[in-house]
Amino acid sequence: EIVMTQSPATLSVSPGERATLSCRASQSVSSNLAWYQQKPGQAPRLLIYGASTRATGIPARFSGSGSGTEFTLTISSLQSEDFAVYYCQQYNNWPLTFGQGTKVEIK
Amino acid sequence: EVQLVESGGGLVQPGGSLRLSCAASGFTFSSYSMNWVRQAPGKGLEWVSYISSSSSTIYYADSVKGRFTISRDNAKNSLYLQMNSLRAEDTAVYYCARDFPYEGLLFDYWGQGTLVTVSS
Repeated sequence: EIVMTQSPATLSVSPGERATLSCRASQSVSSNLAWYQQKPGQAPRLLIYGASTRATGIPARFSGSGSGTEFTLTISSLQSEDFAVYYCQQYNNWPLTFGQGTKVEIK
Repeated sequence: EVQLVESGGGLVQPGGSLRLSCAASGFTFSSYSMNWVRQAPGKGLEWVSYISSSSSTIYYADSVKGRFTISRDNAKNSLYLQMNSLRAEDTAVYYCARDFPYEGLLFDYWGQGTLVTVSS
């Protein structure tokens, strides 16, 4: 099983600042990496797939990068609606696995 | 508009059974693979099971293999999860999630979830 490790667990950021979230895979997942956003009481929302492609309707302030084992989600200028938990997910191998999440909170 | 609506959750004793359903609308259900993903209270996401559009390919997480059975009825636009021999650690919100059509094995639409609580 591929273990996905996200860091940090919690990120405190002021509105308007940049947020950088990391996701590391225990073995290469090529570019088969997705990012999701989840707000309290809601289902997750797909943000990024293929490590760097924004899903439909996702604002340009969200960007993804990386390949192999190291991935980054960057939110260029945090808006109030971006404070949430973010998960990475690999879909290169079965079983499909998620990271444990990074909570982006207001500083 | 794509909609996925789960039902069937509730309180069940350890060792008991429960059947979850997911009603799909707003897309051609029979053309899409589907998944169940769960989230224990206050915890992260865990993929549970996958079923291809024709039901020809099915996968399970090791944690549920042999106890859970995924199925679908394309005529009824419905996805199911039969859960047997339930354990306390199966307590979670269970989401049905549509497989992303362009790459597969990731999830572009999710239901609102149904809570399963396993407790005596």
